Amino acid sequence: NAGVTQTPKFRVLKTGQSMTLLCAQDMNHEYMYWYRQDPGMGLRLIHYSVGEGTTAKGEVPDGYNVSRLKKQNFLLGLESAAPSQTSVYFCASSSQNRGEQYFGPGTRLTVT
Amino acid sequence: KQEVTQIPAALSVPEGENLVLNCSFTDSAIYNLQWFRQDPGKGLTSLLLIQSSQREQTSGRLNASLDKSSGRSTLYIAASQPGDSATYLCAVNGNTPLVFGKGTRLSVIA
Repeated sequence: NAGVTQTPKFRVLKTGQSMTLLCAQDMNHEYMYWYRQDPGMGLRLIHYSVGEGTTAKGEVPDGYNVSRLKKQNFLLGLESAAPSQTSVYFCASSSQNRGEQYFGPGTRLTVT
Repeated sequence: KQEVTQIPAALSVPEGENLVLNCSFTDSAIYNLQWFRQDPGKGLTSLLLIQSSQREQTSGRLNASLDKSSGRSTLYIAASQPGDSATYLCAVNGNTPLVFGKGTRLSVIA
């Protein structure tokens, strides 16, 4: 099993550009999560999903949108990137509510 | 709002020492607590998950304890090795999804 994979690994955007980060898991997990990790701030939850077709806001959802059209995929979109969105983005999944979470390798995004 | 604190922020020990990493949380109404390891430039690897009804959980040289009433958890690493060098994060599952501490950066010196 590949576990949780993320695409792309690195990306540089200019302010105002848009992009989509893809997270895929092959563990048949119901729950999926998007976090961002910033120096001095730790990991913070952006959005999460409790199943196919559902999404919910986390601690820092502004400027991001998400979609969960298929159970195995969770997409994170930036419609108009800002320098404040420069961060490392991690996706995670779990089989049950409040269950053990498994993380992907991360996407390092720089917005200039 | 749940807050998770990890002290110290950084720790350096000689190889072979036993060590304890600390995690505290402000809201004791938790379901479980998870310890992770993160190597530089990498994702998080789950080490141990301890349920709120448990006092301890062990995996190899690692032992996690939980005292829910006092809002504390510890991660004990026995006979530390240079390969244990990494950042260790604790995270709490409560009424909101995982809330993370900022981590303890551990260096084990050969």
